[in-house]
Amino acid sequence: ETGVTQTPRHLVMGMTNKKSLKCEQHLGHNAMYWYKQSAKKPLELMFVYSLEERVENNSVPSRFSPECPNSSHLFLHLHTLQPEDSALYLCASSQLGLAGGPNTGELFFGEGSRLTVL
Amino acid sequence: TQLLEQSPQFLSIQEGENLTVYCNSSSVFSSLQWYRQEPGEGPVLLVTVVTGGEVKKLKRLTFQFGDARKDSSLHITAAQPGDTGLYLCAGGGADGLTFGKGTHLIIQP
Repeated sequence: ETGVTQTPRHLVMGMTNKKSLKCEQHLGHNAMYWYKQSAKKPLELMFVYSLEERVENNSVPSRFSPECPNSSHLFLHLHTLQPEDSALYLCASSQLGLAGGPNTGELFFGEGSRLTVL
Repeated sequence: TQLLEQSPQFLSIQEGENLTVYCNSSSVFSSLQWYRQEPGEGPVLLVTVVTGGEVKKLKRLTFQFGDARKDSSLHITAAQPGDTGLYLCAGGGADGLTFGKGTHLIIQP
């Protein structure tokens, strides 16, 4: 298995649907992330989990709900999304130091889930 | 809020040419990373620079961190079609990693 895998790779959903994105990392890292990548915008950090505890939520709308059941798995539950939520959603993992603090080290990204909201 | 400006936004050149792309900010960063993202893939780390004035080489790619640790450049010598992709810089600081919008690079055979 490659380092970080995401499913599905492509997802089309209506505004009233409920769906989930899944991410799995095989690197033994202790932190996982969800990023949103839209055209003409920088990568936007959505959620950070360190040791399975959510440590950061950058004012993401509640229609996005993350779940981290263990250090290897991360989900992003989607509900009543808007067309402007269409984007590439990237999962990443990293190894944070014992001292904690925000990650400034290498991020290992998955291939992304391309989401289209109709 | 720390911002990173990348230029140019788009660059299309012929195979064999040289090019430089830039990553600039008014903020000081503790480190600067460069990632390359190929179509349909996630970003992959190319290099991390941490010291002002630092220069790192990766085959035909040369990365430089500015003396004041506010800017960085990536120079590619004799570009190849395999260099095509989105080049992202990311600055490390108290808020974690801040990404630029990227430079879309196309190398035409």
